[in-house]
Amino acid sequence: DAGVIQSPRHEVTEMGQEVTLRCKPISGHNSLFWYRQTMMRGLELLIYFNNNVPIDDSGMPEDRFSAKMPNASFSTLKIQPSEPRDSAVYFCASSLGGPRNEKLFFGSGTQLSVL
Amino acid sequence: GNSVTQMEGPVTLSEEAFLTINCTYTATGYPSLFWYVQYPGEGLQLLLKATKADDKGSNKGFEATYRKETTSFHLEKGSVQVSDSAVYFCALSGGTYKYIFGTGTRLKVLA
Repeated sequence: DAGVIQSPRHEVTEMGQEVTLRCKPISGHNSLFWYRQTMMRGLELLIYFNNNVPIDDSGMPEDRFSAKMPNASFSTLKIQPSEPRDSAVYFCASSLGGPRNEKLFFGSGTQLSVL
Repeated sequence: GNSVTQMEGPVTLSEEAFLTINCTYTATGYPSLFWYVQYPGEGLQLLLKATKADDKGSNKGFEATYRKETTSFHLEKGSVQVSDSAVYFCALSGGTYKYIFGTGTRLKVLA
């Protein structure tokens, strides 16, 4: 199994530009998570999907952030317009779900720098 | 609400030294507890877990025991190696999809 695949690994963009991060979860996993990691805030859950449906987006910072999961094998996180304070590492994770805390499998992350 | 507190880093040790990274938690009910490890440039990986009181999780020489009386889940390893240098995250999950992660403890092992 290839694991959770994220792209791009690194993204450098200018303030005001649109940024799209991509994630392919592990085949068969029905839960998908987007996390943001910064030195100041640590790991923050942005949004959680179950069976392709957004269940909890309370962690999405503001309307500039949006996430979609059009099918079981693909998700995107979009920031439009981007701002320097969005600079962080964004992780996608997937799991089998279930009621008793299945193991999370993380991708290698996207390092986003907004200049 | 649920929370996890882990010791500040960085922790710097010589190779073959004994490692302890402290983790305490606050939770209602009976959460599952986890240690995840993050190597440079990579995502987090599950290191070990325990799902009920007195359970001991172990993997790659690391151990942690779920202590309900002290609400703790300290990570230990008897003899660390340079390859153990990473950031270690304590986490809990209270029976839902929401994981609560600690702030992470950076470990640096010197040869």
